[in-house]
Amino acid sequence: DVKVTQSSRYLVKRTGEKVFLECVQDMDHENMFWYRQDPGLGLRLIYFSYDVKMKEKGDIPEGYSVSREKKERFSLILESASTNQTSMYLCASSLSVNYGYTFGSGTRLTVV
Amino acid sequence: DQQVKQNSPSLSVQEGRISILNCDYTNSMFDYFLWYKKYPAEGPTFLISISSIKDKNEDGRFTVFLNKSAKHLSLHIVPSQPGDSAVYFCAASGGATNKLIFGTGTLLAVQP
Repeated sequence: DVKVTQSSRYLVKRTGEKVFLECVQDMDHENMFWYRQDPGLGLRLIYFSYDVKMKEKGDIPEGYSVSREKKERFSLILESASTNQTSMYLCASSLSVNYGYTFGSGTRLTVV
Repeated sequence: DQQVKQNSPSLSVQEGRISILNCDYTNSMFDYFLWYKKYPAEGPTFLISISSIKDKNEDGRFTVFLNKSAKHLSLHIVPSQPGDSAVYFCAASGGATNKLIFGTGTLLAVQP
């Protein structure tokens, strides 16, 4: 089975901190995605990547950046954390951009 | 513009009865539809999918129906079990989209 691992289950950070969320997948998938989940808003795409060093903005990229230096690893960066970035962050990977997404367990980030 | 809509934020059903979760979409170019299930503090997991060339797909207690003319799909769970209590997301892809588009989710509560 494909495994997508997010390095932290829970994080608490201070406003203004630079925050790194790490995601690793073990099935050689080209495509990787970062979502955030908020009540009533569903899953909103922040950034995605088709290949190493490739990235594309999703629906809500403001305040975030990403890094994909190796195929298996996709990092989400909060440049200067703010309280409105408190959320559940979900990483996914897939062979196809249109189906077969496998999600990690999520990182619950609280910005205080 | 919400291309995939789940108009019921929540649904409560008695154990053993049928659960029907609904999803509407606006993009007629979508040709593949999926349902994901998400428990709290876990990532979404794939449940069932359907291609636009079909109008029904079954997998055990789960059946997805697609009505292309109405741009509507539904997930039926029969019989419902308490372990089915979770948030259910529908998703769609196809046409010019290069990623899955998720709905806002429906929280299903199955009462014992």
